[in-house]
Amino acid sequence: GAGVSQSPRYKVAKRGQDVALRCDPISGHVSLFWYQQALGQGPEFLTYFQNEAQLDKSGLPSDRFFAERPEGSVSTLKIQRTQQEDSAVYLCASSSRGNTEAFFGQGTRLTVV
Amino acid sequence: GDSVTQMEGPVTLSEEAFLTINCTYTATGYPSLFWYVQYPGEGLQLLLKATKADDKGSNKGFEATYRKETTSFHLEKGSVQVSDSAVYFCALSEGGTSYGKLTFGQGTILTVHP
Repeated sequence: GAGVSQSPRYKVAKRGQDVALRCDPISGHVSLFWYQQALGQGPEFLTYFQNEAQLDKSGLPSDRFFAERPEGSVSTLKIQRTQQEDSAVYLCASSSRGNTEAFFGQGTRLTVV
Repeated sequence: GDSVTQMEGPVTLSEEAFLTINCTYTATGYPSLFWYVQYPGEGLQLLLKATKADDKGSNKGFEATYRKETTSFHLEKGSVQVSDSAVYFCALSEGGTSYGKLTFGQGTILTVHP
């Protein structure tokens, strides 16, 4: 069975470039989460969707970060005008309805040069 | 706000040694507690969880007990194997609609030698 899929696995961006990171959650999972993991640190929450509704975006570090999930399945995390401090692994997780385990993808490693 | 503090690593052990990784937390509510593991080249996986005080989570020989009085959730294993080498993350969730909104500790790298 398919797990959470993220693409690309690796992305190198020049400072100032816009990037888009994709997450395909497990089919039927209504909840979707994005996390940012800096090198040597634990993941930090960015934002949360239930179906297509973005219910919590309290962790987005600046207005350069934007996430969407227009049809309640695939989600895209967009970072505008990337800066070096945006270099991190971006993790996506999904879970089914109710208090259930979150399943994580392998992440996208973003390097801003 | 919520926070999780793990013992600093890395931790290096010989096979069959006893493992403890300490984890303490600060939370405004009554959280659920988790240990996640990240094996080399793989995504984060849930190892075990506990949802209320005195609950013991267990999986693959690992155990952790939810101690509300000491706000702790220490991970233990009686006899580690080389295959346990990974990064371990303690985490909490205030729950609500999903366990997916997690606050993580910084992670502890475990290396087990034959």
